[in-house]
Amino acid sequence: SQQGEEDPQALSIQEGENATMNCSYKTSINNLQWYRQNSGRGLVHLILIRSNEREKHSGRLRVTLDTSKKSSSLLITASRAADTASYFCATSGNQFYFGTGTSLTVIP
Amino acid sequence: KAGVTQTPRYLIKTRGQQVTLSCSPISGHRSVSWYQQTPGQGLQFLFEYFSETQRNKGNFPGRFSGRQFSNSRSEMNVSTLELGDSALYLCASSLVTSGAPGGNEQFFGPGTRLTVL
Repeated sequence: SQQGEEDPQALSIQEGENATMNCSYKTSINNLQWYRQNSGRGLVHLILIRSNEREKHSGRLRVTLDTSKKSSSLLITASRAADTASYFCATSGNQFYFGTGTSLTVIP
Repeated sequence: KAGVTQTPRYLIKTRGQQVTLSCSPISGHRSVSWYQQTPGQGLQFLFEYFSETQRNKGNFPGRFSGRQFSNSRSEMNVSTLELGDSALYLCASSLVTSGAPGGNEQFFGPGTRLTVL
């Protein structure tokens, strides 16, 4: 079974709003990463947060990690139509697992 | 720098055949990983190669194999194809390996879409 489960499966927001996606995982990890995928193409790495970090920022992205709850969240602020994509969390530990993904649609 | 390239981009095979996919990493990157993406199973890690050695392996049958050459280019082979092998196969490269699968930032290629009839 997959390590990561993401919530929600799909999200639709207006341009300018914030988007929050959550990821839960099952086992201990070294780090957790977030990726973006446009229309079944290759993935683009967004951000990596290590197990000893609690929060990380990159531009309009904010990632939090709670290892006690085995969960992470990705916040995209001031969303743009170009942010429309599928977003995946991925956990690196003894194995490398991707989550099920959240499909984000940003309406202009 | 040129990104990760994968060839071919599209491939159609029939059950029982075998297939070889190719991946050229970003120049200077020595770690190459392979992933399978299907609508049912999502993204799954196949294996990682570093300095021509397989460093990590996912939970796939032995029909899936790979290798890496001295120039870091990698090939993935699937023998005795099954209908369920139809998928997008993604290759990713990273500068080094952390030892743990997916331990570093990875740069993905556009993928090879394999259809098994």
